[in-house]
Amino acid sequence: EPEVTQTPSHQVTQMGQEVILRCVPISNHLYFYWYRQILGQKVEFLVSFYNNEISEKSEIFDDQFSVERPDGSNFTLKIRSTKLEDSAMYFCASRGQGAATEAFFGQGTRLTVV
Amino acid sequence: GESVGLHLPTLSVQEGDNSIINCAYSNSASDYFIWYKQESGKGPQFIIDIRSNMDKRQGQRVTVLLNKTVKHLSLQIAATQPGDSAVYFCAEDGTGFQKLVFGTGTRLLVSP
Repeated sequence: EPEVTQTPSHQVTQMGQEVILRCVPISNHLYFYWYRQILGQKVEFLVSFYNNEISEKSEIFDDQFSVERPDGSNFTLKIRSTKLEDSAMYFCASRGQGAATEAFFGQGTRLTVV
Repeated sequence: GESVGLHLPTLSVQEGDNSIINCAYSNSASDYFIWYKQESGKGPQFIIDIRSNMDKRQGQRVTVLLNKTVKHLSLQIAATQPGDSAVYFCAEDGTGFQKLVFGTGTRLLVSP
């Protein structure tokens, strides 16, 4: 069964450092997303990406965040200068084409900023 | 603004019981709804979905009911098993492929 894969599973970084979280969406999917989940809280939308550009972003997704699809398979989330409050699980998701299709989520990257 | 909320943070049931998890949404323009299951340390896993032109959809041991009049969504799990223990999120999609808005989650605890 196709799946969304994310690396690394756990990333520890010092405050102020840049991190890149990596995702390989399902191969024939066209819509890509990043969500985050602070421990014990709900899953929050960060950004959606379609046709090589951001289609929507939340207020969380400020200038410190960026996304990229550098090739035909990877989808990355970069945080330029991490803050303590960026500590969370970050989930990548992808969806195929067609109305009312489910989003498939990866297993997540746990980001810990110290 | 749009929001998706859940009535109960934790639901405890006995194995074999039927479970009902509820969700309220506020965006009347939402046209697609999904229930996700999240086990500890894992990503959300799709359970069942429903479009706004339906009021009921059944899967294997699960049923989703949609009441658009009161903007309410529920997930029914028949013969709940210990493996069903997880956090369940409802999510709504009112803008096509742009994003899913998740509720706060209900933790289901199943006792043997």
